[in-house]
Amino acid sequence: GQQLNQSPQSMFIQEGEDVSMNCTSSSIFNTWLWYKQDPGEGPVLLIALYKAGELTSNGRLTAQFGITRKDSFLNISASIPSDVGIYFCAGQPNYGGSQGNLIFGKGTKLSVKP
Amino acid sequence: DAGITQSPRYKITETGRQVTLMCHQTWSHSYMFWYRQDLGHGLRLIYYSAAADITDKGEVPDGYVVSRSKTENFPLTLESATRSQTSVYFCASNRDSNTGELFFGEGSRLTVL
Repeated sequence: GQQLNQSPQSMFIQEGEDVSMNCTSSSIFNTWLWYKQDPGEGPVLLIALYKAGELTSNGRLTAQFGITRKDSFLNISASIPSDVGIYFCAGQPNYGGSQGNLIFGKGTKLSVKP
Repeated sequence: DAGITQSPRYKITETGRQVTLMCHQTWSHSYMFWYRQDLGHGLRLIYYSAAADITDKGEVPDGYVVSRSKTENFPLTLESATRSQTSVYFCASNRDSNTGELFFGEGSRLTVL
């Protein structure tokens, strides 16, 4: 089946640093979404992208839908301690009929530098 | 504003037992989903439902059964639990399948001994 390659798998941040992560696929996606999961909780939607080339911001977060429709990136500017968690990209396949499901990347775990 | 709730939050059971995880949403969303989350695999879709009485398999449906007699409830049953089904299970809902914008519950952590 289709897979999303999300990188990096994990990273350490220092408060104030900018963070970048991305997701790539060999197939085209209709929609790209980014979720964040805090420990012990379910994922929460951060940003949804619906058009190739779209650049969307949500506070310190910025995400882009790649022109080829096969990739997306998420940037976090001036990171703060509460940014730690796991970030998931998700893509909705470009099938003819709506399937009502997403394909998730394996996540990028953000931790604080010791 | 209850949203989407899962129960139980934590469950320990033994191999071969039947277990049902409950999911309830108050938004009247059409679509509901069950995912499992395992280290190294991310979130994998088990089953989903487009409406009451309509369900379909996801990526990893084997060993699971679902039903959707009412729009607001979507229980997941493990008919004979196995150790490989030890996982964290997330229920989610979505008003419109075209948006991909899911609302997740807090998860149910299941341990099968």
